[in-house]
Amino acid sequence: AQRVTQPEKLLSVFKGAPVELKCNYSYSGSPELFWYVQYSRQRLQLLLRHISRESIKGFTADLNKGETSFHLKKPFAQEEDSAMYYCALSPAHFNKFYFGSGTKLNVKP
Amino acid sequence: EPEVTQTPSHQVTQMGQEVILRCVPISNHLYFYWYRQILGQKVEFLVSFYNNEISEKSEIFDDQFSVERPDGSNFTLKIRSTKLEDSAMYFCASLGLITYEQYFGPGTRLTVT
Repeated sequence: AQRVTQPEKLLSVFKGAPVELKCNYSYSGSPELFWYVQYSRQRLQLLLRHISRESIKGFTADLNKGETSFHLKKPFAQEEDSAMYYCALSPAHFNKFYFGSGTKLNVKP
Repeated sequence: EPEVTQTPSHQVTQMGQEVILRCVPISNHLYFYWYRQILGQKVEFLVSFYNNEISEKSEIFDDQFSVERPDGSNFTLKIRSTKLEDSAMYFCASLGLITYEQYFGPGTRLTVT
């Protein structure tokens, strides 16, 4: 069963434009949701997780349990935001992580 | 800042050979993971390891795969008899139980010929 769906493979926006990277999930119970980012030639790293409700590098993500979504948003994209973004889900005990297929964000000057 | 390290960065092997991929997780972390990413596809969970035993494994992690923490610092993934379809990037990760943040290694690119 597909646990995490990221419908867009590629998203291109201009610098200063708002950006939203979509993530939908299917899992019974109360999973933990995360966004990971991989910049060019760097390792995968945690961007943010829903339990901390924080904003990192201007990005926020709201967990919508009714729509089973965890979309990542930023009001004004910067060129340095260009990267691969992965949505991920873990059951409450962190013994397993499911990743989406990723969205490549390209921010044009 | 502490980092997860992986060796080698690239491994080329012939079909049917055994390979061992090595990882050094962050020292005070307690959960360890292996993932793989076939070129152009998603990051796939293989196995998690906690308290010196496998905590969870995916359907990919069959009898050809095994993991070990032989000396309290290294965390290894062994593939007993490699197949062409095992060619992928293999990522190790570790997670600390204070921040619950998963740290990834840079990956080992495995090429099976």
